[in-house]
Amino acid sequence: NAGVMQNPRHLVRRRGQEARLRCSPMKGHSHVYWYRQLPEEGLKFMVYLQKENIIDESGMPKERFSAEFPKEGPSILRIQQVVRGDSAAYFCASSPPPGTTQYFGPGTRLLVL
Amino acid sequence: QQQVKQSPQSLIVQKGGIPIINCAYENTAFDYFPWYQQFPGKGPALLIAIRPDVSEKKEGRFTISFNKSAKQFSLHIMDSQPGDSATYFCAANQGAQKLVFGQGTRLTINP
Repeated sequence: NAGVMQNPRHLVRRRGQEARLRCSPMKGHSHVYWYRQLPEEGLKFMVYLQKENIIDESGMPKERFSAEFPKEGPSILRIQQVVRGDSAAYFCASSPPPGTTQYFGPGTRLLVL
Repeated sequence: QQQVKQSPQSLIVQKGGIPIINCAYENTAFDYFPWYQQFPGKGPALLIAIRPDVSEKKEGRFTISFNKSAKQFSLHIMDSQPGDSATYFCAANQGAQKLVFGQGTRLTINP
């Protein structure tokens, strides 16, 4: 059973561009979570999704950030008009129903120039 | 109320020693307390987890001690090895909700 998969692993964008981060949960997992980790800091929750539904987006910045988990395909975290402060590692985690135990992917390291 | 406070920030122990990392929480609704291990450039890996109905859980060289009345829990690593050098995060959540993480402890095990 493959683990949580994220791509790309590294992403370089210039200020003002868009970043798209993808997450494929483990097989059988219907809960997806996105977290952000700034250098030398802990992980901060961003958004929690189930298939076709956003359950909790209390950690998402109100502007430029969006997330989806469609019926088919991976979950996508989208950052529009990136700024240097968006540079961080973005981790996706998934859990089987009914939730609780979360397994993390390897992360996408975003660098904004 | 949602915070999890972790200490120390960094810890250096000789091989074979027993590093102890402590966490404290405020939200009494939390019912699941995992520990994650993270190596540089990697994602957090689930190490061990506990629920508040038990006071201790042991898996291999890793032990969680849980004090419900004090709202504290800690990780002990027995017979520590240089390969245990990593950053350790405690976390807490309730049900399927978001994990709230501590700030992390950078552990170094010297040979």
